[in-house]
Amino acid sequence: GAVVSQHPSWVICKSGTSVKIECRSLDFQATTMFWYRQFPKQSLMLMATSNEGSKATYEQGVEKDKFLINHASLTLSTLTVTSAHPEDSSFYICSAPTGGSSEAFFGQGTRLTVV
Amino acid sequence: AQSVTQPDIHITVSEGASLELRCNYSYGATPYLFWYVQSPGQGLQLLLKYFSGDTLVQGIKGFEAEFKRSQSSFNLRKPSVHWSDAAEYFCAVGAWNTNAGKSTFGDGTTLTVKP
Repeated sequence: GAVVSQHPSWVICKSGTSVKIECRSLDFQATTMFWYRQFPKQSLMLMATSNEGSKATYEQGVEKDKFLINHASLTLSTLTVTSAHPEDSSFYICSAPTGGSSEAFFGQGTRLTVV
Repeated sequence: AQSVTQPDIHITVSEGASLELRCNYSYGATPYLFWYVQSPGQGLQLLLKYFSGDTLVQGIKGFEAEFKRSQSSFNLRKPSVHWSDAAEYFCAVGAWNTNAGKSTFGDGTTLTVKP
């Protein structure tokens, strides 16, 4: 199957700083990628849809100025958490579908801890 | 809008016993359905998927699921549970066409396996 790689797997940052998470499709091109957030013992909630060459589409309630998404190429989308606060601590997971498929392949996730 | 309901928050079974995890979905067209497993602190692993065709699908690790359109269900089953199956299980429905790859997850079911 297709492979999606996320980096880093975990990161600890101080309050007020920014942190960037990368999502790469290793063996296919992805014009669309999805970013999810998962709080402890909860489900995955879609945050935004990343679109190559255009602006991301954010779900209701997600602050676009806080969670900056850049889809600079057909294999890379980045999520930057700006001015991080402890309440942003969560598990962030990206996914990418291949071609027109409805099956999306998930990255391994990034555990963000803000101290 | 698509939605997924997993009625059981937590299920406990004895090792060797059979297992059934329930999933009900709401979707305006033919759904694409998935079951994922997540171990603590880990990413998602796809167990099986249904797109079309045979309504009984086989997955990895001895799991199977049956799509029942009349009941809007996609229940996951395993005839004999192993201690290593203890994890969080998520049912998801996937969009297609313009939202291909976008997934909506249920709240998850935590499986505990008793020795």
